[in-house]
Amino acid sequence: GAGVSQSPSNKVTEKGKDVELRCDPISGHTALYWYRQSLGQGLEFLIYFQGNSAPDKSGLPSDRFSAERTGGSVSTLTIQRTQQEDSAVYLCASSPSTGNYGYTFGSGTRLTVV
Amino acid sequence: TQLLEQSPQFLSIQEGENLTVYCNSSSVFSSLQWYRQEPGEGPVLLVTVVTGGEVKKLKRLTFQFGDARKDSSLHITAAQPGDTGLYLCAGHTGANSKLTFGKGITLSVRP
Repeated sequence: GAGVSQSPSNKVTEKGKDVELRCDPISGHTALYWYRQSLGQGLEFLIYFQGNSAPDKSGLPSDRFSAERTGGSVSTLTIQRTQQEDSAVYLCASSPSTGNYGYTFGSGTRLTVV
Repeated sequence: TQLLEQSPQFLSIQEGENLTVYCNSSSVFSSLQWYRQEPGEGPVLLVTVVTGGEVKKLKRLTFQFGDARKDSSLHITAAQPGDTGLYLCAGHTGANSKLTFGKGITLSVRP
């Protein structure tokens, strides 16, 4: 597609429920990144994919967080047993490859855990 | 410890004023990027600098990469209300590394 598409744009969930966030990157971009942005904070790295592989998962906050990418395209970030501290904007970005490329970001998914 | 420190954290100025904001680190970066983010949207890339001492201009915005590739500045000439937003700097520390972001500078330009 023309840009990076994320869905849903907003998600309100009850504490303890599981949620899935979806990212559809720019066609042909092999690198895909997930970040989290909380109020007053910068972008916190979560995980990145090169193709379908995740060379760096170091930013995932706990084992409740997981992500996958299939077909070198769409990625899903799953949060199990959500907690209130998971409330944030989850941003996805893609780039042509790893290296000194700029990222194209989606508009994000605003997750609110109540 | 934040890898990239941005300053000032907040800035409110009058339309037509000039300003300079900074992005500093003790680490060397293979490249450094600046993004602008507006409410409800993802960050949008403004510029990438890769060579120490490099200066790039984008209309009224001037970006400079430090000689030692550890810091960068953004200068805006004659700021406009449309320049309002969150300015983020981000750096790559290696060829295949992910971008590390600073916390950003919130700029408000009053008409």
